[in-house]
Amino acid sequence: GDSVTQMEGPVTLSEEAFLTINCTYTATGYPSLFWYVQYPGEGLQLLLKATKADDKGSNKGFEATYRKETTSFHLEKGSVQVSDSAVYFCALANQAGTALIFGKGTTLSVSS
Amino acid sequence: DTAVSQTPKYLVTQMGNDKSIKCEQNLGHDTMYWYKQDSKKFLKIMFSYNNKELIINETVPNRFSPKSPDKAHLNLHINSLELGDSAVYFCASSQDVGRLSNTEAFFGQGTRLTVV
Repeated sequence: GDSVTQMEGPVTLSEEAFLTINCTYTATGYPSLFWYVQYPGEGLQLLLKATKADDKGSNKGFEATYRKETTSFHLEKGSVQVSDSAVYFCALANQAGTALIFGKGTTLSVSS
Repeated sequence: DTAVSQTPKYLVTQMGNDKSIKCEQNLGHDTMYWYKQDSKKFLKIMFSYNNKELIINETVPNRFSPKSPDKAHLNLHINSLELGDSAVYFCASSQDVGRLSNTEAFFGQGTRLTVV
């Protein structure tokens, strides 16, 4: 079945450091891919998405490129801020478009 | 106005009790979901409803029963609570069934259930 694998956390960085959170997927066909973010005490929010191969999703300085050759959708940010501290989830939409399949989440902690 | 709201935010209860979590969305969406997030932050879908009709029912114990009185509400009732039910439960909604490839899912703030 469909699945998403993310790098284990927690990831601890200093402010202005470069961030990469790895995500790979297994799925039938070419699913839409997403990054959701969960700030402390809140629900998940869509951060960015890509719906087809080679698409780049971007938002708030974060970027991720849909790589079908490597079945990956790694999240990157050039300079993280303390306010980026959160749990980041990689996800895909199942083939029917009826459910999101999530990775296990990666906790990011940024210190000043 | 909160788009997807859940109540209560925290729920502490004893084993064997029956409890309900309520969810309401004011986005006019047709599809609603329940997800369970375990202690390791792993999120897994439990149920999906489209316009009050059950679409997805993952391998969830029969003690969990979703109820959708109208398309803006999807409540979760849990019978005979067990320690392993302790988790954060998230309600979500999206516009139309089968369109998650192109539309955003909106999540509530979650309900932290603790069974003692």
